[in-house]
Amino acid sequence: DAMVIQNPRYQVTQFGKPVTLSCSQTLNHNVMYWYQQKSSQAPKLLFHYYDKDFNNEADTPDNFQSRRPNTSFCFLDIRSPGLGDAAMYLCATSRKAGPRGDTQYFGPGTRLTVL
Amino acid sequence: DQQVKQNSPSLSVQEGRISILNCDYTNSMFDYFLWYKKYPAEGPTFLISISSIKDKNEDGRFTVFLNKSAKHLSLHIVPSQPGDSAVYFCAAAGLYNQGGKLIFGQGTELSVKP
Repeated sequence: DAMVIQNPRYQVTQFGKPVTLSCSQTLNHNVMYWYQQKSSQAPKLLFHYYDKDFNNEADTPDNFQSRRPNTSFCFLDIRSPGLGDAAMYLCATSRKAGPRGDTQYFGPGTRLTVL
Repeated sequence: DQQVKQNSPSLSVQEGRISILNCDYTNSMFDYFLWYKKYPAEGPTFLISISSIKDKNEDGRFTVFLNKSAKHLSLHIVPSQPGDSAVYFCAAAGLYNQGGKLIFGQGTELSVKP
């Protein structure tokens, strides 16, 4: 089945220790998104790629970076995780972008714990 | 400033009855609205959407109503089933958004009791 896969599902890191979360998709979608969701809050868009074109949200901290080496894979790098970065990180894809975008397909998420 | 709000964090309904989940938005530029459903340990999955040119969209047991003047939308599930128990997120998008950016509400956890 075509899908969005996130690895690992659970990640524990230490305060200040860099961590990378990964997302892969078999849908061959052009757009990939990274969301941060803290407990009982709305998912918040961090950035997205339209193909290789990177789009950062204005309020995404510099501590968060992303890479998309090819259509299938996208990585979220947190350079120096703080306690406030503990959250669920959701990857999503859509076929196209645009004013209303397209239906987004989500992965199961990676729950990040910062000790 | 939260542009999409779901003011009820939880809702409990008896099986077979109607579930009504509500969502309010503040930005009049939003013109496309979606509902996503999320089970524990899974990512959100798309459920139903509505464009601002409509006031109702129906898909099986799920109906979304849009009241543009009140900036309010609701999701009706009839009849509710135990398998509908999940967290429901509403989301909004608009013409000014680039890249299909969705603004999500905080979610409402629905519990359907047998």
